[in-house]
Amino acid sequence: DVKVTQSSRYLVKRTGEKVFLECVQDMDHENMFWYRQDPGLGLRLIYFSYDVKMKEKGDIPEGYSVSREKKERFSLILESASTNQTSMYLCASSLRLAGTGLVFASYEQYFGPGTRLTVT
Amino acid sequence: AQKVTQAQTEISVVEKEDVTLDCVYETRDTTYYLFWYKQPPSGELVFLIRRNSFDEQNEISGRYSWNFQKSTSSFNFTITASQVVDSAVYFCALRTLDTGRRALTFGSGTRLQVQP
Repeated sequence: DVKVTQSSRYLVKRTGEKVFLECVQDMDHENMFWYRQDPGLGLRLIYFSYDVKMKEKGDIPEGYSVSREKKERFSLILESASTNQTSMYLCASSLRLAGTGLVFASYEQYFGPGTRLTVT
Repeated sequence: AQKVTQAQTEISVVEKEDVTLDCVYETRDTTYYLFWYKQPPSGELVFLIRRNSFDEQNEISGRYSWNFQKSTSSFNFTITASQVVDSAVYFCALRTLDTGRRALTFGSGTRLQVQP
């Protein structure tokens, strides 16, 4: 079974604090993703990584950064937390195989349990 | 650009009723994949099904069935004889071959409440 774990289920931080959210997967997946989930907006992509030290911005990267020093671990960093970053954060991973784009596109993403972050 | 629309924000049914969750997508790509995920109260998204744009056959898995119609850009999900354990938020998602977009595009989700 694919296992994606996130360091905390619930987190409360103060405005201006630096926040680290950690995600670890145990299936040797190349791709890892960070989403945030807000009511009525679904899941929105913040950043993703397709290899160690490689990252690309998603739809809403402002106010966030990421780090991928090891294949199994993908960290989301809030440099200076703000109240509008209160949200549910979901990490996901998926396979990336060499080959056609069709193969690449087909692989489903496996999600962690989420971290509910509250910034006060 | 791509978009997924789940117009139903919340649906409430009584146990044993059938319920259909709607999903409409937009993409210019001719090759793409569609997904459904379930998010129970525990929070973790669970993969339910994947469908590629070349296969319009409907699929049935137990009480779950999916109706994919390219002509209307829809990928609807039906639960037959619903149960309380089906209560969750359900997300439809799209993945195209646009290499600048390696992640999924999600709809806003439909919250299903099944009352006993």
